[in-house]
Amino acid sequence: GENVEQHPSTLSVQEGDSAVIKCTYSDSASNYFPWYKQELGKGPQLIIDIRSNVGEKKDQRIAVTLNKTAKHFSLHITETQPEDSAVYFCAAIYTGTASKLTFGTGTRLQVTL
Amino acid sequence: GAVVSQHPSRVICKSGTSVKIECRSLDFQATTMFWYRQFPKQSLMLMATSNEGSKATYEQGVEKDKFLINHASLTLSTLTVTSAHPEDSSFYICSANSANQPQHFGDGTRLSIL
Repeated sequence: GENVEQHPSTLSVQEGDSAVIKCTYSDSASNYFPWYKQELGKGPQLIIDIRSNVGEKKDQRIAVTLNKTAKHFSLHITETQPEDSAVYFCAAIYTGTASKLTFGTGTRLQVTL
Repeated sequence: GAVVSQHPSRVICKSGTSVKIECRSLDFQATTMFWYRQFPKQSLMLMATSNEGSKATYEQGVEKDKFLINHASLTLSTLTVTSAHPEDSSFYICSANSANQPQHFGDGTRLSIL
């Protein structure tokens, strides 16, 4: 089955700096890669996703890149703000079957003033 | 965006009680709903997958008689924790998707068994 590794487990950045979270996956058949943000006491919120036919996607301060050959994908947050502080999870799935999302272990991002 | 509503958000009850958690997709018809359990500072652990009108598929190690799942309609799934004990205390989260919607999550239910 799919295995997703996520690094780092914790990340502290100063407000205004950029944050990068990296994930690797094992199943080359995976074709959909969502990123979720989970605030304390709440459920994960989908913030951006990317499909395997695209190398990069951007939405305001958030971008995701995908390297299918290396089986890497990354989340980039620019101009970080205190409200970006949360736990971020990457995930991977092959959408062609009744597959399940495989989550990374999460990254706790702390944006300091 | 798509919204998944989960209720209640918090439950505190005595050992031996059965607890029902509801998950609703508010603005789309969910062909599949998922139930997760999350321990503190850990990732989400899939418990079961349910499709409307059919039996849920449970992950290995999850007791189906303990965690009853009903998916009666395309917008509602319920998880019942039967005869709950302190070790069942956890954060339970549902999610839903369809052919046109990626997986969206509810805000979770914190279950505390005394």
